Amino acid sequence: NAGVMQNPRHLVRRRGQEARLRCSPMKGHSHVYWYRQLPEEGLKFMVYLQKENIIDESGMPKERFSAEFPKEGPSILRIQQVVRGDSAAYFCASSPRPAASYEQYFGPGTRLTVT
Amino acid sequence: QQQVKQSPQSLIVQKGGISIINCAYENTAFDYFPWYQQFPGKGPALLIAIRPDVSEKKEGRFTISFNKSAKQFSLHIMDSQPGDSATYFCAASITGANNLFFGTGTRLTVIP
Repeated sequence: NAGVMQNPRHLVRRRGQEARLRCSPMKGHSHVYWYRQLPEEGLKFMVYLQKENIIDESGMPKERFSAEFPKEGPSILRIQQVVRGDSAAYFCASSPRPAASYEQYFGPGTRLTVT
Repeated sequence: QQQVKQSPQSLIVQKGGISIINCAYENTAFDYFPWYQQFPGKGPALLIAIRPDVSEKKEGRFTISFNKSAKQFSLHIMDSQPGDSATYFCAASITGANNLFFGTGTRLTVIP
C-alpha cells in the first residue's frame, strides 16, 4: 500500500516564476493537508482540502498561494510569482476521515528553492 | 506565535543513554499530543501519541510523560541507539480540528 506521494521532491525556481507542487494521498484517503516547514522550524499548517472543496485555508498566505484537490488527480499547491522567502519544504498529509488531526500520514515533502 | 514550545533545539546522547525532549503549550483546549520522528529527506512519521486523560504512555523504548497542570509533556527514549538519530517534533491539536500545531523540533544525535 503506497504511502503519500509528493512530486517533485526538489524544485528550483527563479524569483517571479510559478511553483506547482503535487500530492497524491494514500489509497482510500480523501482528505489532504498541506504544511510548510521553514529551515530550523516546525511544520506550519497551510490548508485542508477534501475532494473538490477547500475546507480550511486559515494558514495560507492571502496572496500568490492557492490549492486545489480535483475530483480526479492529485492535490496541487500553487505558488505564483515566487520570492526567496517561499524557499521551504512543503509537506502534504492525508487522512481517511475528516478533520482527523490524529490520523495524518505525511509524504516525503517537496523542497522548494527560489534563486 | 508559537503554540507549542519545544526544547532543546539539539541533543547529543551516548548510545544506551536516555534522551529527553520537552514541550510546553498554552492552549488548554488541546487534547491530543503526538510526537513525530523525521529522518533527513523524509516526511514526519507518527511515533507515539497521548491524550490528557493519562499521565504516561509507553511503547517499547519510547515513553511520553504528560503533566496537565503544568501544560507540559515530554518524550523519553530509553536505551538510545544510533538509529534513533533524527529530528523529533512534538505537536498538539484539538479533536475535530483540521490541523496539528508543531514544535520547532529537536535534532537528536546518538553517538556510538
